[in-house]
Amino acid sequence: SSELTQDPAVSVALGQTVRITCQGDSLRSYYASWYQQKPGQAPVLVIYGKNNRPSGIPDRFSGSSSGNTASLTITGAQAEDEADYYCNSRDSSGNHPWVFGGGTKLTVL
Amino acid sequence: QVQLVQSGAEVKKPGASVKVSCKASGYTFTSYYMHWVRQAPGQGLEWMGIINPSGGSTSYAQKFQGRVTMTRDTSTSTVYMELSSLRSEDTAVYYCARESKFTYYDILTGYSTEYYFDYWGQGTLVTVSS
Repeated sequence: SSELTQDPAVSVALGQTVRITCQGDSLRSYYASWYQQKPGQAPVLVIYGKNNRPSGIPDRFSGSSSGNTASLTITGAQAEDEADYYCNSRDSSGNHPWVFGGGTKLTVL
Repeated sequence: QVQLVQSGAEVKKPGASVKVSCKASGYTFTSYYMHWVRQAPGQGLEWMGIINPSGGSTSYAQKFQGRVTMTRDTSTSTVYMELSSLRSEDTAVYYCARESKFTYYDILTGYSTEYYFDYWGQGTLVTVSS
């Protein structure tokens, strides 16, 4: 079945670098997009394509991809980066043309 | 500026139907596909389906086939998501999300198109309870 797998939780010390990963067969064909979601709020796009940031997203957010794994890296994590992060991609193989990862809860210590 | 404004919270009984609206503004409504995504309490995001506001064509996740209907009204730039035969497991926040895409050329793989959700509605809480 088509799916994207993320670690449920990751923590990082304030100002340090953290990488959040997303694995899935669809990532061999499509880049992942990444969304940040804070409690009670709608998701916000932070990375799309190979490594593109929408206007207003700080440059400490970056994306990369290798094989079946996509990564979101936050370089110099800030307290306001504490949130849930979801990856998403197209999936041409399953019954869900689009698929989300299960999400990663990022804690900034 | 682009805005997606959704209708307000709903409380429904099991077996009933709910219709959620998403009014778009700040862009050409018929130029961008719209998706619906839901999130149960404490859970992750779940893709439900997509509608092409231009022609009205739709595609639904298999899980929701037969229970979900997505429509649009181009005169008001509004898309709708109706879910029927509600059960308690349908209690969730429902989001509309605009799809954007870009095409790029890679010397090894040729032309490729990438898709992403660049704007989201504020969400509509649907509670299913007897």
